[in-house]
Order: sequence, then structure tokens, then C-alpha cells
Amino acid sequence: LAKTTQPISMDSYEGQEVNITCSHNNIATNDYITWYQQFPSQGPRFIIQGYKTKVTNEVASLFIPADRKSSTLSLPRVSLSDTAVYYCLVGANSGGYQKVTFGTGTKLQVIP
Amino acid sequence: NAGVTQTPKFRILKIGQSMTLQCTQDMNHNYMYWYRQDPGMGLKLIYYSVGAGITDKGEVPNGYNVSRSTTEDFPLRLELAAPSQTSVYFCASSWGGASSGNTIYFGEGSWLTVV
Repeated sequence: LAKTTQPISMDSYEGQEVNITCSHNNIATNDYITWYQQFPSQGPRFIIQGYKTKVTNEVASLFIPADRKSSTLSLPRVSLSDTAVYYCLVGANSGGYQKVTFGTGTKLQVIP
Repeated sequence: NAGVTQTPKFRILKIGQSMTLQCTQDMNHNYMYWYRQDPGMGLKLIYYSVGAGITDKGEVPNGYNVSRSTTEDFPLRLELAAPSQTSVYFCASSWGGASSGNTIYFGEGSWLTVV
């Protein structure tokens, strides 16, 4: 199983760039890496996904090194509304099915 | 677009009672999931399904049962409710397996308190 490890929490001031790294040493060849964002009292929502190298969308960038054993979510110029828990997700095959488990996530607190 | 719809949103149960959390999705997704999230903690997978008639246990299945008779619906049954089942429950769905690049869509959650 591709278990993920992330920092439990991070603090950042408004306007700064935030980088959250996730380790997934046992990632399978065909696995994608996906990041989700969860606000209090809401279900997680998709932020960004990648397989290798760099992916950028209107919300974030995702950096994946060649060995794919880690990935870094980059949030440019964070604001107070970016305060949330961020989950790194790497799927795992179990008996032929893709059992999807989330790690503990990283709680990002943006400070004014 | 409705997406993933869960009912009820809030419920208080007495110890030993049973109930069913309803979940339906209108995206024709094959995969459906039930997670629970205790206060300040991460998501724990209870059960999941890869299609109608096919279900499998997740990380914390004890005390719960599921069924998947249609593509759209994936109810979660709590038998003999216990205080340890006080949590927020999220239903989710995806077209295919998440590790293959499919996005998981979550419902708004169901807050359950067992007293």
C-alpha cells in the first residue's frame, strides 16, 4: 500500500507562498498523486492532480520529482481563506480494487 | 448539479438504536465510499463499492453495514449505535479508481451524535 506522510500542521502569513510536501515512498507505477482541500464542516474537494514533473492550475502548482517518491503542493500568495486541511492522496490496489485511504492531512493556518 | 447527496444532515441517536444514512449520486459513478471523520482527525474509510452488488471493507468497518443495489445509491447502516460512532460521515463517489486519476466527489456530510 502506498502510505503517505505529511507534516501535521503549518502556519503562514498572508501573501506568502506555502509549500506542503508529501512523502509516498511506495507509490506504484500507475498511481496518480492528488491533493484535496477540506474546510471546516465540509467534505474535501479536489485541488490538483499529477503523475510526474509539474502541474499548474488556477489554484496551485504540484511538483513531482523524477522518482515520484514525494510531491509538493505549492499555494502562491495565500490568503485567510486558504486556511484548511490539505490531504495528499495516492491510491492503492487491494485485491484488484482501488481502496482509497486518506492520511492525516496538513492543517494550514494562515495568519493575518 | 446535485452531485453527491447525503441525508440526514444531523441526527441524534440513543445507544443501541439503529439507523441508515442515505447517499445518492447522479454522476453515474462506479465507485462509492463512506468515510467517517472524528473531531480534529483525518478521514477513515468505512466501506467502499466499485459497482452495483460489489462492496468491500475499509479501515474501520466494525459496527456498520452497506449495500449497493443500484449505481446511484449507497446506504450506510449503523446497527446498535455506540458513543464511539459519534462522528461526521461523508459519502463520496468517483467514476473510476482514484489512483488512476479519477476525482473523488464528496457529499456535505452527516453529523451523527450517539447519546
